[in-house]
Amino acid sequence: QSALTQPASVSGSPGQSITISCTGTSSDVGGDKSVSWYQQHPGKAPKLMISEVSNRPSGVSDRFSGSKSGNTASLTISGLQPEDEADYYCGSHTSSSTPFYAFGTGTKVTVL
Amino acid sequence: QLQLQESGPGLVKPSETLSLTCTVTDGSIGSTAYYWAWIRQSPAKGLEWIGTVYYSGNSYYSPSLKSRVSISVDTSKNHFSLWLSSVTAADTAIYFCARSRKFCSGGSCYLRWFDPWGQGTLVTVSS
Repeated sequence: QSALTQPASVSGSPGQSITISCTGTSSDVGGDKSVSWYQQHPGKAPKLMISEVSNRPSGVSDRFSGSKSGNTASLTISGLQPEDEADYYCGSHTSSSTPFYAFGTGTKVTVL
Repeated sequence: QLQLQESGPGLVKPSETLSLTCTVTDGSIGSTAYYWAWIRQSPAKGLEWIGTVYYSGNSYYSPSLKSRVSISVDTSKNHFSLWLSSVTAADTAIYFCARSRKFCSGGSCYLRWFDPWGQGTLVTVSS
């Protein structure tokens, strides 16, 4: 299965909002509510930030929100803060009949 | 809260078999609601799903690695293991284990999201 497509980098100033896109196909991102988003700081394991397109796990700031339109999912970070500088990955299951999975190519978020 | 910890050799010779174990603490690997997964990360390929196992022993593998990978579960020890054979330098990566929410619909089951993750372990393939 192919990786989902994300922009390599996105930047913004503190307090601004940024949006990261994740583009796939009708077999993965465009399917059911399977898209999730992960934040990864250097040297750390990825952390689940959004599940099932738009659900925020307990403890995740409400500045993070997710949405989807067709075969493209989006992660929006509002009120950008210095600690939001990290790599972000989307992910989705990729098969209609078996538990296969693909991650996005990753986006480096820089807080200017 | 549930935690995962990877363990195994950090250096493997080319053509040999990579072997890692993920121990689950403060939770049961026998839960029917979750799969257990191996994921790796390298600069060249980013995050890559390797495969997944259910407590029953059913396993599923990435098509690109299927011929070389095996994942098993030991519910008595509350851990699951990864074997990757015939390794090359391209298999050098940080290997993570993670819990995956299971979602079933229409007779098929899928991976929903991964949480939590282990801290990861670097495996280098070199002679």
